[in-house]
Amino acid sequence: QSVLTQPPSVSATPGQRVTISCSGSRSSIGINSVNWYRQFPGAAPKLLIYSDNQRPSGVSYRFSASKSGTSASLAISGLQSEDEDDYYCAAWDDSLNGYVFGGGTKLTVL
Amino acid sequence: EVQLVESGGDLVQPGGSLRLSCAGSGFTFGGHSMNWVRQAPGKGLEWVSYIISTGVTTHYAESVKGRFTISRDNAKSSLYLQMNSLRGEDTAVYYCARGVGCGSASCHYFDLWGQGTPVTVSS
Repeated sequence: QSVLTQPPSVSATPGQRVTISCSGSRSSIGINSVNWYRQFPGAAPKLLIYSDNQRPSGVSYRFSASKSGTSASLAISGLQSEDEDDYYCAAWDDSLNGYVFGGGTKLTVL
Repeated sequence: EVQLVESGGDLVQPGGSLRLSCAGSGFTFGGHSMNWVRQAPGKGLEWVSYIISTGVTTHYAESVKGRFTISRDNAKSSLYLQMNSLRGEDTAVYYCARGVGCGSASCHYFDLWGQGTPVTVSS
């Protein structure tokens, strides 16, 4: 069981907006920044969002993220078929003295 | 080209040992913290270990503490993971990942990943 909780799957149709939630604790999301990664099955993960809501160079503006208290969320607008991936939230946990990942959310574009 | 390339993954018996390597190129390796992250078959990502740029500070996941040792050789732009007392649950693809962000582990994130090296622990 992961320290950060994500829904196992979400789905939506092309063009729609979808959100993926990530629930943590005070010692993780509550006091440390949240990062998001995406991964095509069998490939290496890629950084998607860092420091709660910052997009690295090259990441589409359609991806945005926010954080409130001990929860965070990733939003993808104007959904496209190429957005189908597994998405992971992550943060440092001061109680565990380690980096923790959510269990991952599989996004399906219907 | 900026990249990380892992090597050393293999089939090993339970209780055995293995040493993974990760070679960095195209960037100043010694200026970054580094991490190992693993992914068991069909499962999610699990952080394994962290080492600061100088090698002075390390952190480990509870699941590997006392069995795994992370180290680095900045002169060779290389990261290592010595894995001892291997168990079936250590079977995974192991990725090395470059850390960026502020100076401590608590605010860093992984901006560059290798392609991974598979480790299978089985008799």
